Amino acid sequence: GAVVSQHPSRVICKSGTSVKIECRSLDFQATTMFWYRQFPKQSLMLMATSNEGSKATYEQGVEKDKFLINHASLTLSTLTVTSAHPEDSSFYICSAKQGAHEQYFGPGTRLTVT
Amino acid sequence: TQLLEQSPQFLSIQEGENLTVYCNSSSVFSSLQWYRQEPGEGPVLLVTVVTGGEVKKLKRLTFQFGDARKDSSLHITAAQPGDTGLYLCAGTNAGNMLTFGGGTRLMVKP
Repeated sequence: GAVVSQHPSRVICKSGTSVKIECRSLDFQATTMFWYRQFPKQSLMLMATSNEGSKATYEQGVEKDKFLINHASLTLSTLTVTSAHPEDSSFYICSAKQGAHEQYFGPGTRLTVT
Repeated sequence: TQLLEQSPQFLSIQEGENLTVYCNSSSVFSSLQWYRQEPGEGPVLLVTVVTGGEVKKLKRLTFQFGDARKDSSLHITAAQPGDTGLYLCAGTNAGNMLTFGGGTRLMVKP
């Protein structure tokens, strides 16, 4: 199956700083990428959908100024958590798809804000 | 908003037992996916069902899509400790968006 990578896999940052998470589709061009958030022992919650070259569409309740998403190329999307706080600590997962094909998920990034 | 309800939320069984996980919705989905996720990793796709009434088998796992494409089930025969994990169902709507169920955490004890 298609491969989606995320970097970093784990990150610890101090409260008030910003952290960037990268999501890459390694062997296909991702016209759409999705960012999910997952709290411990819970399911995935969609945060936003991004199409290459256009602004991301955020789900209700997700602050677009706090979670900056950039989908500048067909193989890369980034999620920047700005002014992170401990409550932003979570497991962030991206997925990517090409056209109407299925979504392929990345391995996730565990963010810990101290 | 399309909602998918999974049951049970948590299941702890002995090796060799059978189990069924259910995924129900009041909405119709164009397709439904089942994923398995291990701690610290992303979900891995197990199967996609598309046709109402469809049954797919993957070794000891049997997946069924309801006739009305509103519900699905996952049956595991003779569960093994390696089956332990979080099982997620997700429905795809006409807009090609995934809606995830709440997940079923399975623990198989040796």
